[in-house]
Amino acid sequence: AQKITQTQPGMFVQEKEAVTLDCTYDTSDQSYGLFWYKQPSSGEMIFLIYQGSYDEQNATEGRYSLNFQKARKSANLVISASQLGDSAMYFCAMSRPPHSSYKLIFGSGTRLLVRP
Amino acid sequence: GAVVSQHPSWVICKSGTSVKIECRSLDFQATTMFWYRQFPKQSLMLMATSNEGSKATYEQGVEKDKFLINHASLTLSTLTVTSAHPEDSSFYICSGGPGNEQFFGPGTRLTVL
Repeated sequence: AQKITQTQPGMFVQEKEAVTLDCTYDTSDQSYGLFWYKQPSSGEMIFLIYQGSYDEQNATEGRYSLNFQKARKSANLVISASQLGDSAMYFCAMSRPPHSSYKLIFGSGTRLLVRP
Repeated sequence: GAVVSQHPSWVICKSGTSVKIECRSLDFQATTMFWYRQFPKQSLMLMATSNEGSKATYEQGVEKDKFLINHASLTLSTLTVTSAHPEDSSFYICSGGPGNEQFFGPGTRLTVL
């Protein structure tokens, strides 16, 4: 069975500093996708970054980067230069087979609070 | 990125009534869309896969007769919560996407009294 684990229920970070949100996953599939989403208090799910299992380079999107360590089955999100607007819930997710349909299973989430 | 809309954004209904939630892809065609449910302070759980022109596929434990899904066009999927009860109160959110990225609608908060 596939599983996503986020072990940090809550995190604090000082404004302008970098923060790493942990995500580990479990799957027996060779092909899968890993996603990070941000959910502010309004409830909308905002796509941040995607990493394919066969991508050799870590994905980056602006201030977001994904530290993909396939052997360790981890896909940590790094947010550089934190901003107050980054305060939100962050969910790690993995696509379930068949992967072309992009059904997602989600971790339990990490609440990030950015301190001024 | 692609845009997915949902309507209504929130709804309050009496126990026993049915509620329809619409999910629209505004700038792409979606043969497949997904419906999730999120209880307070919990993660998103996939309920079902909505397939254009065919029956929806439901996840284990989700009652297909209670959560009716219709995907009549490439831009519209609807979820109808039939005979809603207070335990159905939740945040319902749909997703779809033209490629690797899955874009989510803004969600519908359902409260059943």
